[in-house]
Amino acid sequence: DIQMTQSPSSLSASVGDRVTITCQASEDIRKYLNWYQQKLGKAPKLLIHGASNLETGVPSRFSGSGSGTDFTFTISSLQPEDTAMYYCQQYENLPLAFGGGTKVEIK
Amino acid sequence: QVTLREAGPALVKSTQTLTLTCSFSGFSLSASGMCVSWIRQPPGKALEWLARIDWDGDIYYSTSLKTRLTISKDTSKNQVVLTMTNMDPVDTATYFCARIYTTSCSGDYWGQGTLVTVSS
Repeated sequence: DIQMTQSPSSLSASVGDRVTITCQASEDIRKYLNWYQQKLGKAPKLLIHGASNLETGVPSRFSGSGSGTDFTFTISSLQPEDTAMYYCQQYENLPLAFGGGTKVEIK
Repeated sequence: QVTLREAGPALVKSTQTLTLTCSFSGFSLSASGMCVSWIRQPPGKALEWLARIDWDGDIYYSTSLKTRLTISKDTSKNQVVLTMTNMDPVDTATYFCARIYTTSCSGDYWGQGTLVTVSS
């Protein structure tokens, strides 16, 4: 099974800061990676699929990059409403697998 | 409009079997490219994928839980059922059903989740 490792597990940044989260797969997943945002008490929301493809309606301050085993998720200018958990998830192979999550807070 | 909703007991006892039903609308699970997954999330912890059933009847399970899980579909009722045997307090979690975006499954939609607590 493919394992997904996210870092950091949490971060605190100021409004307007650039925030970066990394996700590493235990084997090559090409570009088959989703990024989700989960706000407290809510279901996850897909932000990016295919490692870098922004979902319709998602603000352009969110972006993703990478392929193979190493991926990056970036918020270019952190906003108060971005406070949430963020998860990567691979879909190269079944079983599907999520990363451990990154908690993003406003300083 | 695609919607999914989970239903099941809020409380189960250790060793019992949990049965959860996902009722959905806005798509047919007999249509090509459709699939439904179950995912769970213990309080304060990460998401864990459990199982998926596809439009063509293909079924996939979490490796660590496959001996305890059964997923099935009733296309006529637009429902997917997940059973998990031999429940334990560590299985306390919010259980979501969802259509997760993959190469073979289109769209990404989630239910609101249902909290299941396992008592000892």
